[in-house]
Amino acid sequence: KQEVTQIPAALSVPEGENLVLNCSFTDSAIYNLQWFRQDPGKGLTSLLLIQSSQREQTSGRLNASLDKSSGRSTLYIAASQPGDSATYLCAVKHGGATNKLIFGTGTLLAVQP
Amino acid sequence: EPEVTQTPSHQVTQMGQEVILRCVPISNHLYFYWYRQILGQKVEFLVSFYNNEISEKSEIFDDQFSVERPDGSNFTLKIRSTKLEDSAMYFCASRKMKDEQYFGPGTRLTVT
Repeated sequence: KQEVTQIPAALSVPEGENLVLNCSFTDSAIYNLQWFRQDPGKGLTSLLLIQSSQREQTSGRLNASLDKSSGRSTLYIAASQPGDSATYLCAVKHGGATNKLIFGTGTLLAVQP
Repeated sequence: EPEVTQTPSHQVTQMGQEVILRCVPISNHLYFYWYRQILGQKVEFLVSFYNNEISEKSEIFDDQFSVERPDGSNFTLKIRSTKLEDSAMYFCASRKMKDEQYFGPGTRLTVT
């Protein structure tokens, strides 16, 4: 059974720092991995999608990498801003007939001004 | 930019009552989903829907739950007889052939 975990559970950094959020999954037979942002009491905003054949994806100050064989993904945020404060979730989708995303536990990020 | 919408944003109901949560997926999307998030817990998959039928459901999605796409735009989740443990945030999501899933803002369901 696929398990997705995220470390750290919470992170506080001063504005301007570069930071890395980690996601690990137990079954490497994934189809893709998606990173989301969730603001308190709000929905999920998709940030990046990485297909299993890809090593990384970039969007603005965000860069996500994927190492499928070791069951890891990282989300790199450059030059963090207070507006980046949110919970960051990773989710994996398996290949085959399944459609569902399996979510990680999330990392609560606070960027201090 | 097109987005998934959900109504209501907050629903309070008494135990044993039926509730219907509504979603309008992005118009050219083909796959539809419901997920839920109990406070402080992970987001969990409930059900996926494609071509007017359920394509996959989790063990959470028992006989108390049903989904429907009554017209070309709405996608609903019905809970027939709510329990206290059904209190959660319910998210609708959709995607087209490309694999990225887009989520709505959620409906907070409170069962008293």
